[in-house]
Amino acid sequence: AQSVTQPDIHITVSEGASLELRCNYSYGATPYLFWYVQSPGQGLQLLLKYFSGDTLVQGIKGFEAEFKRSQSSFNLRKPSVHWSDAAEYFCAVGDFGNEKLTFGTGTRLTIIP
Amino acid sequence: GAVVSQHPSRVICKSGTSVKIECRSLDFQATTMFWYRQFPKQSLMLMATSNEGSKATYEQGVEKDKFLINHASLTLSTLTVTSAHPEDSSFYICSARAGITHRFQETQYFGPGTRLLVL
Repeated sequence: AQSVTQPDIHITVSEGASLELRCNYSYGATPYLFWYVQSPGQGLQLLLKYFSGDTLVQGIKGFEAEFKRSQSSFNLRKPSVHWSDAAEYFCAVGDFGNEKLTFGTGTRLTIIP
Repeated sequence: GAVVSQHPSRVICKSGTSVKIECRSLDFQATTMFWYRQFPKQSLMLMATSNEGSKATYEQGVEKDKFLINHASLTLSTLTVTSAHPEDSSFYICSARAGITHRFQETQYFGPGTRLLVL
């Protein structure tokens, strides 16, 4: 069965600093990988996705993620965070066959001035 | 871009009553819709998958008689929590996936969620 691990429950970074959120997955075939962001009381917004091809994918709001098959990782990065980036971030792996998304437990991002 | 709406955004009801939550895809046809439940500070847990015109497929441990799902059209799915109890209080989120002939294939787009509080 597929699974996703987000080892960091909570991360605090200063505004303007760089950010990396970790995500490790377990899946038997080529994974479909996603990063979503959730603001308080809101649904999830898709930041970026990886299906195939270039392992470095660009998303919205200046985010990018790199798929590393050898490490089973799909870490999310941003070179300079803004206060508006404070939110909960979820990594997910999708099974195209049964169309199910399995989410990690999320990483809460706090931005300090 | 793909937009999914949910209604209501927030609902409070008395124990024993039923509550219906609507999920609509506004600018695309969703052959498949998903219903998730999210507990505070936890991840989303898939409850069921519904395909237009057919019965929903429920995840293990989800009571299908309690959480009734209807996917009557390509743009609307409803979740009815029957005889709601305080332990059903949660944040319910739907998502929609377009058919494989659509450019949004393979990606789920999420609604803003519905906060249910059962007193």
